[in-house]
Amino acid sequence: AQTVTQSQPEMSVQEAETVTLSCTYDTSESDYYLFWYKQPPSRQMILVIRQEAYKQQNATENRFSVNFQKAAKSFSLKISDSQLGDAAMYFCAYRNLHSGNTPLVFGKGTRLSVIA
Amino acid sequence: GAVVSQHPSWVICKSGTSVKIECRSLDFQATTMFWYRQFPKQSLMLMATSNEGSKATYEQGVEKDKFLINHASLTLSTLTVTSAHPEDSSFYICSARLRLADTYEQYFGPGTRLTVT
Repeated sequence: AQTVTQSQPEMSVQEAETVTLSCTYDTSESDYYLFWYKQPPSRQMILVIRQEAYKQQNATENRFSVNFQKAAKSFSLKISDSQLGDAAMYFCAYRNLHSGNTPLVFGKGTRLSVIA
Repeated sequence: GAVVSQHPSWVICKSGTSVKIECRSLDFQATTMFWYRQFPKQSLMLMATSNEGSKATYEQGVEKDKFLINHASLTLSTLTVTSAHPEDSSFYICSARLRLADTYEQYFGPGTRLTVT
């Protein structure tokens, strides 16, 4: 079974600075998706960024980018120019590529605080 | 974009009663929906996979007779917590699967906070 590990329960960053959240995963599949989700205090899950494992290029979405290391099974999220609104729980997630009935597998999450 | 709604957003019920939570995909058809449970400061735990027109598949350790799931249409899945007890108090999140050209995407509802007194 696939597992996702987030080793940082809590992180903090100064406003306008950069922070990196770590995630590792374990799978025997060669094709899959990786995601970072944000859960603010409202608890609505918000997709931040997605990476297809077959793509070597790291995904970017504005201030959010990932460092995807397939061989190391590592998938970190970098948040640049951190804003107060970035404060939230961040979950790393995995999903098999082709099986539609396979749900997302989540890590335990990292709580990010942004200091003004 | 794809929108998933849940109703109610929060509910308080007495111990021993049942409560139903609805999950709707508002602008797309979802043959598969997922139900998650989230305790405070914890991650989402998958409870069951709901497929339209068939029985739900429950994760190990989830009581199927306590958490009844019905996926009667392509836009609606319901989770009924039967004979609720205080330990069932939690945040319940549904997610609906949208089939795209060559893959799938999961969209999340806003969640339902259940408090059993």
